[in-house]
Amino acid sequence: DTGVSQDPRHKITKRGQNVTFRCDPISEHNRLYWYRQTLGQGPEFLTYFQNEAQLEKSRLLSDRFSAERPKGSFSTLEIQRTEQGDSAMYLCASTPLAGAYNEQFFGPGTRLTVL
Amino acid sequence: GEDVEQSLFLSVREGDSSVINCTYTDSSSTYLYWYKQEPGAGLQLLTYIFSNMDMKQDQRLTVLLNKKDKHLSLRIADTQTGDSAIYFCAESPNAGNNRKLIWGLGTSLAVNP
Repeated sequence: DTGVSQDPRHKITKRGQNVTFRCDPISEHNRLYWYRQTLGQGPEFLTYFQNEAQLEKSRLLSDRFSAERPKGSFSTLEIQRTEQGDSAMYLCASTPLAGAYNEQFFGPGTRLTVL
Repeated sequence: GEDVEQSLFLSVREGDSSVINCTYTDSSSTYLYWYKQEPGAGLQLLTYIFSNMDMKQDQRLTVLLNKKDKHLSLRIADTQTGDSAIYFCAESPNAGNNRKLIWGLGTSLAVNP
């Protein structure tokens, strides 16, 4: 298994543009999480999927953000009309549904810079 | 509310012990975690402790849990320059069964030769 992968690793965009990020979790991992990390901060929870169902969304996730996991495998996170405040590292993590201690396996992240 | 607090910086000499402290708020958390983040690398689980334990030792790492005070600490024995990184404390509240992680701000550990 190659671990959690994320694409792209870096994205620079202009304010007002739309961006989409992709996360490929570890195979067979039912649970998938998106977090956002800004400089000097810990990760903040954004949203959670169990298989294809999005079961929780943080209040941080404004209506410009949407996430999907259509077949219960990979997930996408889209940000519409980006703002400079969206600049951050977007992290994806996965874990099996019945994991013994819920270790979340993290991808390398997508660093978004909004100019 | 959900809040995990950590001291932001720690500087030690190579070979000394490092102790990183954390306080958390949700007593329902079944597991508490320490993650390590190195520059340019993803978050890596270092160790965890089950909430009914008060100590866990794993090679150079010792985790102490004081559930009454909601205090967690990570001790790294014989700290090496390769241990320089940001260390995050995280809890996983049981509410909602989604097992999301609530994170501290991270403690930046600098190990001086």
